[in-house]
Amino acid sequence: GENVEQHPSTLSVQEGDSAVIKCTYSDSASNYFPWYKQELGKGPQLIIDIRSNVGEKKDQRIAVTLNKTAKHFSLHITETQPEDSAVYFCAASPLGTGFQKLVFGTGTRLLVSP
Amino acid sequence: EAQVTQNPRYLITVTGKKLTVTCSQNMNHEYMSWYRQDPGLGLRQIYYSMNVEVTDKGDVPEGYKVSRKEKRNFPLILESPSPNQTSLYFCASSSPGPYEQYFGPGTRLTVT
Repeated sequence: GENVEQHPSTLSVQEGDSAVIKCTYSDSASNYFPWYKQELGKGPQLIIDIRSNVGEKKDQRIAVTLNKTAKHFSLHITETQPEDSAVYFCAASPLGTGFQKLVFGTGTRLLVSP
Repeated sequence: EAQVTQNPRYLITVTGKKLTVTCSQNMNHEYMSWYRQDPGLGLRQIYYSMNVEVTDKGDVPEGYKVSRKEKRNFPLILESPSPNQTSLYFCASSSPGPYEQYFGPGTRLTVT
């Protein structure tokens, strides 16, 4: 089955810096890759997603890149702000599951210092 | 307000005592899922449902049961809970098209 590895497990940056979180997946047929942000005491919330037919997607300060050959995708946050501090999870969805079966990485705790 | 609700939010129980965690969504979503979250392991999907009476196993279905008799509800049943099922549980719902999963507030379960 699908397996997703996520790095780093913790990331500390200064406000205004960029942050990059990387994930690799094992099933080359996976076709949907969302990123979720989880704030303390809350459920995860989708921040951006990408499908396998797209190499890059951007939404304001957040971007995701996908390299299908390497089975690797990354989250890029520019101009980080203290409110970006949270745990971020990547996920991959195997083909044929209607994007509903999600295999998550183990999470990255991002701390943005003022 | 569009939301996913879970009950109870906190539960302490003993080994072997059957329990049900309810999940309800008011967004008319087709799809629903259950996850457990454990430190260092991230989120792991237990079951998901793509329609009424249609459920599929996620990565960690052992020890759990689900049913989807109505579109809005997706209860998680632990027939004989064990201490290794102590965890934070999340229910989520989504619809075709955006596929974004909307998560509930979580249920913290402790099995002693």
